[in-house]
Amino acid sequence: GNSVTQMEGPVTLSEEAFLTINCTYTATGYPSIFWYVQYPGEGLQLLLKATKADDKGSNKGFEATYRKETTSFHLEKGSVQVSDSAVYFCALRKGSGGSNYKLTFGKGTLLTVNP
Amino acid sequence: DTGVSQDPRHKITKRGQNVTFRCDPISEHNRLYWYRQTLGQGPEFLTYFQNEAQLEKSRLLSDRFSAERPKGSFSTLEIQRTEQGDSAMYLCASSLVNLRYTDTQYFGPGTRLTVL
Repeated sequence: GNSVTQMEGPVTLSEEAFLTINCTYTATGYPSIFWYVQYPGEGLQLLLKATKADDKGSNKGFEATYRKETTSFHLEKGSVQVSDSAVYFCALRKGSGGSNYKLTFGKGTLLTVNP
Repeated sequence: DTGVSQDPRHKITKRGQNVTFRCDPISEHNRLYWYRQTLGQGPEFLTYFQNEAQLEKSRLLSDRFSAERPKGSFSTLEIQRTEQGDSAMYLCASSLVNLRYTDTQYFGPGTRLTVL
């Protein structure tokens, strides 16, 4: 079945540091891949996504590139801010053509950014 | 567009009681999903609806769980005879899906259930 493996947390960085959160996946077919973010006390928000190999998703300074050869979708940001402190989830969705569009999530990575 | 809403946001109940949660999706969205998230874990799929039809149920959804979407708009998730292991955040998401376009799932704020 489909699965997502995320970098174990928690991750603690100083403001303006470089961020990488690793995500690898196992799936059949050609899944779409997502990063969701969950701020304290809030629901999940879509951060970025990619639907095919070599696609780069980007939003709010975050980027991730869909690498089919390494089955990865690592999240990066060049300079983090205190406001980026949250839990980040990598997720995949089975490719189109099937009847199932459920998301399969990783366990999440807690990021804390200190001033 | 006010996004996906869920009610209540928090529910504390005693073991053995029944609880019901409501989800209101984004108005034009035809798909609605329920997920469960336990502490320190990512959300896990429970079930989903295409309009009013329930198309898939996870094996996580025991016989004590039932979900409905009677008119293809809002949905309810009921848990009968709650157990302490049911304590979790219950998340609802909705999306627009058609033959040529598959949209993103948008999540509500969740309902946090605590079973004492």
